Amino acid sequence: AQRVTQPEKLLSVFKGAPVELKCNYSYSGSPELFWYVQYSRQRLQLLLRHISRESIKGFTADLNKGETSFHLKKPFAQEEDSAMYYCALSPLSNNDMRFGAGTRLTVKP
Amino acid sequence: GAGVSQSPRYKVAKRGQDVALRCDPISGHVSLFWYQQALGQGPEFLTYFQNEAQLDKSGLPSDRFFAERPEGSVSTLKIQRTQQEDSAVYLCASSPQEQNTEAFFGQGTRLTVV
Repeated sequence: AQRVTQPEKLLSVFKGAPVELKCNYSYSGSPELFWYVQYSRQRLQLLLRHISRESIKGFTADLNKGETSFHLKKPFAQEEDSAMYYCALSPLSNNDMRFGAGTRLTVKP
Repeated sequence: GAGVSQSPRYKVAKRGQDVALRCDPISGHVSLFWYQQALGQGPEFLTYFQNEAQLDKSGLPSDRFFAERPEGSVSTLKIQRTQQEDSAVYLCASSPQEQNTEAFFGQGTRLTVV
């Protein structure tokens, strides 16, 4: 079965500083990886996914199959980036999506 | 509606009471998921449907939990004889036919068992 690990429950950075939210996974097959974000009082929503290779709101994530990681990065954090971030994995063969425990990012002014 | 709709938004149940939580997915979405999110935790997978077929129910914590999607659209998560540890936000999400596309989440139902 697939498993997603986000080792940091809390992460705090200053505005303008680089930020990296870590995500490691374990899955024997080929996975699709996602980052979801939940802003205060809003529903969970997709931030980006590996297959689209897009940069959304300045965030990027690279799939490293050797290290089984999908870390989320942004070079210059903004206060509005403060939110809960969840890494998720779905096997390529189906839509059975599993989430990590989440990292709460706080960007301080 | 435009998005995934869950009802009720809030539910307070006395311990031992049965509850039913409803999810209206986005029209035409084939896949439907239920998650349980305890305070300060990430969503924990409960069960997954593809149309009316329940393909994975490995996350249901006990036989008190039961989910159905009889016509492949609306889904109901039922919890029998609720316990305090069942208190959580129950999230529903749906996604379209294509493999590994974005899952769209509802606002959730916050269940409090007293």
